[in-house]
Amino acid sequence: GAGVSQSPRYKVAKRGQDVALRCDPISGHVSLFWYQQALGQGPEFLTYFQNEAQLDKSGLPSDRFFAERPEGSVSTLKIQRTQQEDSAVYLCASSLEGLSNQPQHFGDGTRLSIL
Amino acid sequence: GNSVTQMEGPVTLSEEAFLTINCTYTATGYPSLFWYVQYPGEGLQLLLKATKADDKGSNKGFEATYRKETTSFHLEKGSVQVSDSAVYFCALIANDYKLSFGAGTTVTVRA
Repeated sequence: GAGVSQSPRYKVAKRGQDVALRCDPISGHVSLFWYQQALGQGPEFLTYFQNEAQLDKSGLPSDRFFAERPEGSVSTLKIQRTQQEDSAVYLCASSLEGLSNQPQHFGDGTRLSIL
Repeated sequence: GNSVTQMEGPVTLSEEAFLTINCTYTATGYPSLFWYVQYPGEGLQLLLKATKADDKGSNKGFEATYRKETTSFHLEKGSVQVSDSAVYFCALIANDYKLSFGAGTTVTVRA
């Protein structure tokens, strides 16, 4: 497709389980971002990739969160030993070059619920 | 740090009414400013943007002007439709690549 694709759309997991969320960016987009959106709030930055390099992971809330983009295209956000406070919508975005005046294009998100 | 403050909702309007959503920001340097919209059940979509002072972004009848003197980027539409019901987010990027979002304003338009 032409847009950013995320899967799964919904994920329910028990506390303590590991989860993996996938993002397929727009073809040719160099930059890829992950954001976390809590209920009723705006998205918060998690991490940024330029091609396969993770240039910024300052927004990851703990060392249980890990992201990768090994071939500079598809990215996976992994959360280990999930906790209830991890429940949120996880948004992936991509842009052509990651410059401040270029728009970031968002996927529909993965809604993660931890029971 | 960078921050965005936008008008709290929810906002409920009748069709053809005038819509304004206030947005002010705090940022270092000269940020680029954006409005994103999230329709029910869908992802965030870029609605409009402005990259320098006095620029006006416009799309789908919506407008917002980058006001550096008041650090504002208010969103306006002259005549709303039911299909404009959505959550609207003001956002900025300053000196890097991270979008900083406001909390969002829920708009409901009644027929």
